[in-house]
Amino acid sequence: NAGVTQTPKFQVLKTGQSMTLQCAQDMNHNSMYWYRQDPGMGLRLIYYSASEGTTDKGEVPNGYNVSRLNKREFSLRLESAAPSQTSVYFCASRANPGQQNTEAFFGQGTRLTVV
Amino acid sequence: AQSVTQLGSHVSVSEGALVLLRCNYSSSVPPYLFWYVQYPNQGLQLLLKYTTGATLVKGINGFEAEFKKSETSFHLTKPSAHMSDAAEYFCAVYNQGGKLIFGQGTELSVKP
Repeated sequence: NAGVTQTPKFQVLKTGQSMTLQCAQDMNHNSMYWYRQDPGMGLRLIYYSASEGTTDKGEVPNGYNVSRLNKREFSLRLESAAPSQTSVYFCASRANPGQQNTEAFFGQGTRLTVV
Repeated sequence: AQSVTQLGSHVSVSEGALVLLRCNYSSSVPPYLFWYVQYPNQGLQLLLKYTTGATLVKGINGFEAEFKKSETSFHLTKPSAHMSDAAEYFCAVYNQGGKLIFGQGTELSVKP
């Protein structure tokens, strides 16, 4: 099994361009997450989806939108990229939002640079 | 609201020395706590987790952590550091809404 797959792995955007980061999991998990990682700030939650059809804002949602397309896929869209969105983005999933003893599984990340 | 704080953004040890990475939690209810490791240019992987029961939790690669309710701590230790342990380590907890919240991370360097 592939686990959590993110595409693309690297991307360079110009300021104002838009793009969608894709995430898919093959573990039949209910919950999915998008994080950004910046030096010295750990991982900050952008958006969270507890289950198919639901999404919720995290700590840093401004400038982003998400779509939980189906149980497998959770995409993150930047409508008008800004240099402040230069970061490494991680997608994660976990089995059951009601069971807080279950761990999350992470993708390999997307390294995004906005110039 | 549940949260975690990691003390020390960077820790440096010599090969063979004790590794101690600190994590304190804030929670109004008994938390489930996690330690993740991130090797350079990779995603995060689970090292260990505390759920219920035994307060000393053993994980992969010789790491362990002890849940201390009286100190609201969940520090990560390894008796003898190896060069391959150089990575960034994150403590994490779920909040009541099911969101996984991370500490700021601690970068571990291991000197030969």
